Amino acid sequence: DSGVTQTPKHLITATGQRVTLRCSPRSGDLSVYWYQQSLDQGLQFLIQYYNGEERAKGNILERFSAQQFPDLHSELNLSSLELGDSALYFCASKGPGYGYTFGSGTRLTVV
Amino acid sequence: LAKTTQPISMDSYEGQEVNITCSHNNIATNDYITWYQQFPSQGPRFIIQGYKTKVTNEVASLFIPADRKSSTLSLPRVSLSDTAVYYCLVGDRGYSTLTFGKGTMLLVSP
Repeated sequence: DSGVTQTPKHLITATGQRVTLRCSPRSGDLSVYWYQQSLDQGLQFLIQYYNGEERAKGNILERFSAQQFPDLHSELNLSSLELGDSALYFCASKGPGYGYTFGSGTRLTVV
Repeated sequence: LAKTTQPISMDSYEGQEVNITCSHNNIATNDYITWYQQFPSQGPRFIIQGYKTKVTNEVASLFIPADRKSSTLSLPRVSLSDTAVYYCLVGDRGYSTLTFGKGTMLLVSP
């Protein structure tokens, strides 16, 4: 157990639908990062939050959004889903010092 | 962020020492070198981090020459369970984002 909790572990949904992925960071970590990993792409950075504020944006589609709540957990919202959105979605958290801690991911399958 | 280059894949046998080299010619003064390991369908796992010379922990060693333009991850006596993708990343120890390359796919055979 890395200390970063992601739910759900698996999600199967239809095209056009909307889903929410949840991440609870390691205790004390203020920063949360979301990554997408599909078979033909590596780990792609989506978005970062630090203590509730958006800190950096990567290749995140407009159909995707995220937020970090006062208790520091984060949610990634994916809407108008397409087949190509099928991927593993990872959340990572970081505190002071070195090393990012990744969760075990949410596998999203869009059918 | 400094770009890194590492071999796409490497093969080894159980019990051998594996050295994976990463080049990072544009590393900045305040950058550290960090290696992560990723198994299929799992999140990357921090292995080791260093700034210069040599760092060793219970799973690996990291060798960094004086010019810091490259680094070598050394895995002693690998086992089948070390089969994974290994990523080399360069960045400061703040909260900047991680940019993953393709990594090195290490295949350990019996």
